[in-house]
Amino acid sequence: SQKIEQNSEALNIQEGKTATLTCNYTNYSPAYLQWYRQDPGRGPVFLLLIRENEKEKRKERLKVTFDTTLKQSLFHITASQPADSATYLCALDIEEYGNKLVFGAGTILRVKS
Amino acid sequence: SQTIHQWPATLVQPVGSPLSLECTVEGTSNPNLYWYRQAAGRGLQLLFYSVGIGQISSEVPQNLSASRPQDRQFILSSKKLLLSDSGFYLCAWTVGGQFLGEQYFGPGTRLTVT
Repeated sequence: SQKIEQNSEALNIQEGKTATLTCNYTNYSPAYLQWYRQDPGRGPVFLLLIRENEKEKRKERLKVTFDTTLKQSLFHITASQPADSATYLCALDIEEYGNKLVFGAGTILRVKS
Repeated sequence: SQTIHQWPATLVQPVGSPLSLECTVEGTSNPNLYWYRQAAGRGLQLLFYSVGIGQISSEVPQNLSASRPQDRQFILSSKKLLLSDSGFYLCAWTVGGQFLGEQYFGPGTRLTVT
């Protein structure tokens, strides 16, 4: 069956360290993979999109990698800050199903000062 | 710039009552529109999406329905709510066309069915 898996346990890190979140998928062949941030009680906010032919994408302190062989994406936040604390969702663009995304359940990140 | 509105922000409804949630988008034309539901501590479940006026695709069998009476208006409805309909409902839009791109989400409606 098709699955998207993100770290089910919260990730607790110290301010200034690099946070690394994982998104694994099975039985999908996405053309794109996206990462979103969601704060409690709010809608998700788009962060980064990476295409299947791109290995890495960066935006300020954020970096995303996409390994279609491993069926895995890693999301890094360098020099993390308490304000980075949130739930981070990965989402796959499922071309064969038309114009829609399939979301993972998300990983809670807590950055302590 | 584009904005997306959802209302109401919170709603408490008894079992068996009807539901109507509205979503409107400003500043863009012919968007793709989506309704998601998020249960507590869970991921987003796609309920409906629409690529044009009157065009609705349903993703899961349920007692909910959706309509798109105007280009930038998307409505989620139910004739009789169930306890299991409780959750956080999110509307989202993307630029219309084949390339999906990023989705822009509204502020959400917290629905509690009692």
